Amino acid sequence: NAGVTQTPKFQVLKTGQSMTLQCAQDMNHNSMYWYRQDPGMGLRLIYYSASEGTTDKGEVPNGYNVSRLNKREFSLRLESAAPSQTSVYFCASSEWTFGENEKLFFGSGTQLSVL
Amino acid sequence: DQQVKQNSPSLSVQEGRISILNCDYTNSMFDYFLWYKKYPAEGPTFLISISSIKDKNEDGRFTVFLNKSAKHLSLHIVPSQPGDSAVYFCAASAGGAQKLVFGQGTRLTINP
Repeated sequence: NAGVTQTPKFQVLKTGQSMTLQCAQDMNHNSMYWYRQDPGMGLRLIYYSASEGTTDKGEVPNGYNVSRLNKREFSLRLESAAPSQTSVYFCASSEWTFGENEKLFFGSGTQLSVL
Repeated sequence: DQQVKQNSPSLSVQEGRISILNCDYTNSMFDYFLWYKKYPAEGPTFLISISSIKDKNEDGRFTVFLNKSAKHLSLHIVPSQPGDSAVYFCAASAGGAQKLVFGQGTRLTINP
């Protein structure tokens, strides 16, 4: 009954380093998302994948890349980390992107600090 | 320009009383509204939603009210319980989960 699993839970990077955040869901959902949460700003969409094989930019995509590896997995890559990318990152999934009753199911988050 | 605003960063309520969390929005195209609840070190979990064609939706102790003319959404929790202590996010969409816009969150503390 895992739902959405994110790894790692915590990460500290130096400016300029790269890393990939991993996300996997076991609910057979078609759509997956990456959000970041910053104090006082709510959750903001970085990238999403409406279905396997597609990815699209969200509100704050600069500095990030994504890969929809298969239906289950959606990874987020920081090629050259910057202190402004210090945040909590959440992966989420939903059955589809459209439809009135679409609900997002979230992972437990990755706390990333860039020094 | 924040389209969804939760103007109260925190709220403290006594156990057993009513908790009222508020949310204001500016985009009249929003047609679907949701509330999420978040505990520390966990991801947000869906709580309750409402379509723009309704003005009220109830689920157990939780009721969401929508006032479209005022562009205002509220969540009522009655009675409040200690387990309700969490951060609550409202969110709104103008067509599709990929267009969800979240508010900043309100930290609710239920005091025994």
